[in-house]
Amino acid sequence: AQTVTQSQPEMSVQEAETVTLSCTYDTSESNYYLFWYKQPPSRQMILVIRQEAYKQQNATENRFSVNFQKAAKSFSLKISDSQLGDTAMYFCAFMAGTYKYIFGTGTRLKVLA
Amino acid sequence: NAGVTQTPKFRVLKTGQSMTLLCAQDMNHEYMYWYRQDPGMGLRLIHYSVGEGTTAKGEVPDGYNVSRLKKQNFLLGLESAAPSQTSVYFCASRAGAAGELFFGEGSRLTVL
Repeated sequence: AQTVTQSQPEMSVQEAETVTLSCTYDTSESNYYLFWYKQPPSRQMILVIRQEAYKQQNATENRFSVNFQKAAKSFSLKISDSQLGDTAMYFCAFMAGTYKYIFGTGTRLKVLA
Repeated sequence: NAGVTQTPKFRVLKTGQSMTLLCAQDMNHEYMYWYRQDPGMGLRLIHYSVGEGTTAKGEVPDGYNVSRLKKQNFLLGLESAAPSQTSVYFCASRAGAAGELFFGEGSRLTVL
């Protein structure tokens, strides 16, 4: 069975600093996709970043980047120059096959002024 | 640009009552999903649909039914609500194989 594990239920970071959120997954699939979603207090989930497993290069979106270690089945999210608006719950997600999305339990990030 | 719209946003039910949550998407997406979100448990898949007229069970389907009579709509029904179904429900849709999920704003359901 495929699983996604986020071992940090809560984290905090000072504004302008860098923080890394951890995610590990377990699968026997060779081709899959990994995602980080953000859920701000407004509740609506939005995509932060996506990584295709067959791509070796780590994905980057502005201040957000990932460290994808396929052999270790690790997919961490790094947020640089943290801003107050980054305060949210962050979910790591895995997708393989045609339909199945599996989410981790989330990491609540608080950015401190 | 509506995206994914869920109605209602909030609802309080008594045990044993029934209700339907409506999800509508205007992006012509094939895949639609219903998740529930509970504290410390992330999002768990209730049911999903890979196209009009098709539905399938996810990991926590018991107590729920779904229908997708039109491509743009995905309905989630509770026939006899139980307190264990108190949760926030999210609908999501996506276009193709590698597509991101687009989420609705969520529906908070409380069963007393």
